Amino acid sequence: GENVEQHPSTLSVQEGDSAVIKCTYSDSASNYFPWYKQELGKRPQLIIDIRSNVGEKKDQRIAVTLNKTAKHFSLHITETQPEDSAVYFCAAETGTASKLTFGTGTRLQVTL
Amino acid sequence: DAGVIQSPRHEVTEMGQEVTLRCKPISGHNSLFWYRQTMMRGLELLIYFNNNVPIDDSGMPEDRFSAKMPNASFSTLKIQPSEPRDSAVYFCASGRTGGNYEQYFGPGTRLTVT
Repeated sequence: GENVEQHPSTLSVQEGDSAVIKCTYSDSASNYFPWYKQELGKRPQLIIDIRSNVGEKKDQRIAVTLNKTAKHFSLHITETQPEDSAVYFCAAETGTASKLTFGTGTRLQVTL
Repeated sequence: DAGVIQSPRHEVTEMGQEVTLRCKPISGHNSLFWYRQTMMRGLELLIYFNNNVPIDDSGMPEDRFSAKMPNASFSTLKIQPSEPRDSAVYFCASGRTGGNYEQYFGPGTRLTVT
């Protein structure tokens, strides 16, 4: 089955700096790669996703890149703000019916 | 759109008791997923349904866990009997099949088994 690895497990950056979180996946058939943000005590929320037919997608300060050959994808957050502090999960779609395999999460802390 | 609805939001029960968690997916979504989240094990997929039919229950930890989806707007996850190690946050998520893989999570049920 699909295996998704995520690094780093924790990341601390200063406000205004950029943050990068990386994930690798094992199933070359996977075609959909979402990123979720989970604030303390809240539900995971979809913040951006990318499909295998594109290499990069951007939404304001957030961007995701995908390298299908290497089977890795990354989340980039620019000009970080304190409200970006949360746990971020990557995931990869597996087979049919939208099943997602999640990474282990990255705790991002943005310090003033 | 009301989003995915889960009840109860918090449940505290004693070991050995039966626990039933409920979920109402987003209207029009035909896939439903039950996840469990703990600090130790992260976010685990327990079971998922497509068009009310269970597709993969390989994540269900033991026979004590069971899930049903009697119709497109309701699903339950039951634990009987409950044990302290079942304490976790249980999330329900819904989505659509057919090429659109987005999943939307409910607020979760925080279960504490004493």
